[in-house]
Amino acid sequence: GEDVEQSLFLSVREGDSSVINCTYTDSSSTYLYWYKQEPGAGLQLLTYIFSNMDMKQDQRLTVLLNKKDKHLSLRIADTQTGDSAIYFCAESKGSARQLTFGSGTQLTVLP
Amino acid sequence: DTEVTQTPKHLVMGMTNKKSLKCEQHMGHRAMYWYKQKAKKPPELMFVYSYEKLSINESVPSRFSPECPNSSLLNLHLHALQPEDSALYLCASSQSRQGNQPQHFGDGTRLSIL
Repeated sequence: GEDVEQSLFLSVREGDSSVINCTYTDSSSTYLYWYKQEPGAGLQLLTYIFSNMDMKQDQRLTVLLNKKDKHLSLRIADTQTGDSAIYFCAESKGSARQLTFGSGTQLTVLP
Repeated sequence: DTEVTQTPKHLVMGMTNKKSLKCEQHMGHRAMYWYKQKAKKPPELMFVYSYEKLSINESVPSRFSPECPNSSLLNLHLHALQPEDSALYLCASSQSRQGNQPQHFGDGTRLSIL
């Protein structure tokens, strides 16, 4: 995951918005993904965006992509305690289209 | 609920044992993957199968042996593992290996080597 970077920790109050950031380095990446991992579970696909898009919204989730800066963000509106988890961004790149994951951001939602 | 099912959920084995991890999906996906995940780290790709044929082996030691009996099943055979192989083993599947086909993950098998 060294080509994809994320901050390790984020704490927010319940009801606030959370913004998780990610930077990637491969300009040929075509698809970028956000996965959520709760303790003891696998990875849950939250959303993904094609690199020719700037924004994608799905209920409480908003993904913003700045291709010039190779910056991806995930905004969670009205964050709830059930949103506490590790969030991984990932890029699909190369001829094999393998996923390269970031290090993951541990989101803690405080009551 | 995940549509990729992995069994068993937990496995404890000695270094001389032989065991197998199983993964099943009924979404008609033709690409299946094995990942290894250590605590607090991102998943690391081990193997990729595309149309039941092994297409990527990320230099995984031979003590891990994958098998794809049919388009719905993926196995990982384990033999003579080392303590450092203790990890969460995740299976994933996607419609194909194209980049616009997201990978869907199972809940994993937590493996402990004594």
